[in-house]
Amino acid sequence: KAGVTQTPRYLIKTRGQQVTLSCSPISGHRSVSWYQQTPGQGLQFLFEYFSETQRNKGNFPGRFSGRQFSNSRSEMNVSTLELGDSALYLCASSLATGAREQFFGPGTRLTVL
Amino acid sequence: GENVEQHPSTLSVQEGDSAVIKCTYSDSASNYFPWYKQELGKRPQLIIDIRSNVGEKKDQRIAVTLNKTAKHFSLHITETQPEDSAVYFCAANSGNTPLVFGKGTRLSVIA
Repeated sequence: KAGVTQTPRYLIKTRGQQVTLSCSPISGHRSVSWYQQTPGQGLQFLFEYFSETQRNKGNFPGRFSGRQFSNSRSEMNVSTLELGDSALYLCASSLATGAREQFFGPGTRLTVL
Repeated sequence: GENVEQHPSTLSVQEGDSAVIKCTYSDSASNYFPWYKQELGKRPQLIIDIRSNVGEKKDQRIAVTLNKTAKHFSLHITETQPEDSAVYFCAANSGNTPLVFGKGTRLSVIA
């Protein structure tokens, strides 16, 4: 099976702009979670989608949003970008929600200038 | 919500020695504890996980122990090799709650 894929791999934006990141899960996986990874902060949970419904949301401002499509592909959007949004954004897929293995994508490196 | 603390943040060992990374969690309802390894420039990958009905689990040179009473779990790597050098993350969750990660441990194995 193909692994989790994310596009684009790299993005450079300026403050105030918005960005959309895409994640394609492993075939058959219906749960997609998003994480922000910054040096020293580990992986911070953004949100989780299952069957097109947001199941969990982390402690991030409303500028961060996401959605999931009927084919389980997911997108996250960040509006009004700030310098502090520069990070590696990882998505992970799993068969379902709950306590089970998550498979990570390669990430999208976002740089905000 | 769940909070996971991980120690140490950096760890250097000589090749062939053992390495131990410790994590504590706050939510007594947590019942799933995975460990992920992230090599430089790569995605995190699951190396071992344990559920709360088990106290210890081994996979070749890697083992994880869980103490539910004390709410802590540890990763043990024996006979370390240079390819074990990476950042290791512990995590915890229960049921349909999000997976909460520790801040990571950068392990360096010195040849």
